[in-house]
Amino acid sequence: DAKTTQPNSMESNEEEPVHLPCNHSTISGTDYIHWYRQLPSQGPEYVIHGLTSNVNNRMASLAIAEDRKSSTLILHRATLRDAAVYYCIPHNNNDMRFGAGTRLTVKP
Amino acid sequence: NAGVTQTPKFQVLKTGQSMTLQCAQDMNHNSMYWYRQDPGMGLRLIYYSASEGTTDKGEVPNGYNVSRLNKREFSLRLESAAPSQTSVYFCASSLTPGANTEAFFGQGTRLTVV
Repeated sequence: DAKTTQPNSMESNEEEPVHLPCNHSTISGTDYIHWYRQLPSQGPEYVIHGLTSNVNNRMASLAIAEDRKSSTLILHRATLRDAAVYYCIPHNNNDMRFGAGTRLTVKP
Repeated sequence: NAGVTQTPKFQVLKTGQSMTLQCAQDMNHNSMYWYRQDPGMGLRLIYYSASEGTTDKGEVPNGYNVSRLNKREFSLRLESAAPSQTSVYFCASSLTPGANTEAFFGQGTRLTVV
C-alpha cells in the first residue's frame, strides 16, 4: 500500500477555498486516490476519487499531479460544516488504509 | 433511504463476554466491510465481504469472526471480548468490491470492554 503524508491540521476561513495536500510518492499505477472525511462522532463520508485525471463533483475537486505522486483536494468555498478530518487513501483493492488525516478547522 | 444501519450504538462488555454487532444496508450493495477506530487514529479494516457468500480477513482480524448472513446483512462477532477491543466499530458497504467505487459508512458502534 502506498504511504501517504498529510498535514496534521489546517485552518481556513469560512467561504474561502481550501487546498488539502497529500503526498503519495509510492503509489502504484493501479491505485485509485480516494478522499474521505469524518465529522466529529460520525462515520467517514466519501468525498471524491480519481485515477489519473482531475475530478469534480458537487462536494469538491480533486487535482492529481501528472506523476501521480501527490494530489490536492479542493473545497471551493469552505463552510462550518466542512470542519472534519480529511483522509487521503490511495488503494487498488478492498482494503482502504486510513492514516491520521488532516484536521480542518473552519473559522467563521 | 436509511443507508447503512448499525446496532447497537453503544455497548459495555465485561472481559470474556461475547457479543455480535449487527450491520444492514438497504442500497443493494454487493460488498460490505467492518472497521475499527481507536481513539485519535484512523480506521483499520477487520474483515470484508466482497460479495454474498464470501468473507476475507483485513488488517486486524484476530479476535473477531464475521458472517455475511445475506446480501443486506454482515455481522461481526467477538467471542471473548478483551479490553484491547475497546473501540468504535464502523460497518461500510459499496456497490462493488475494489477501488473504483465509493463506500458508505454507518454511524458506528462504541464498544467498551471492562
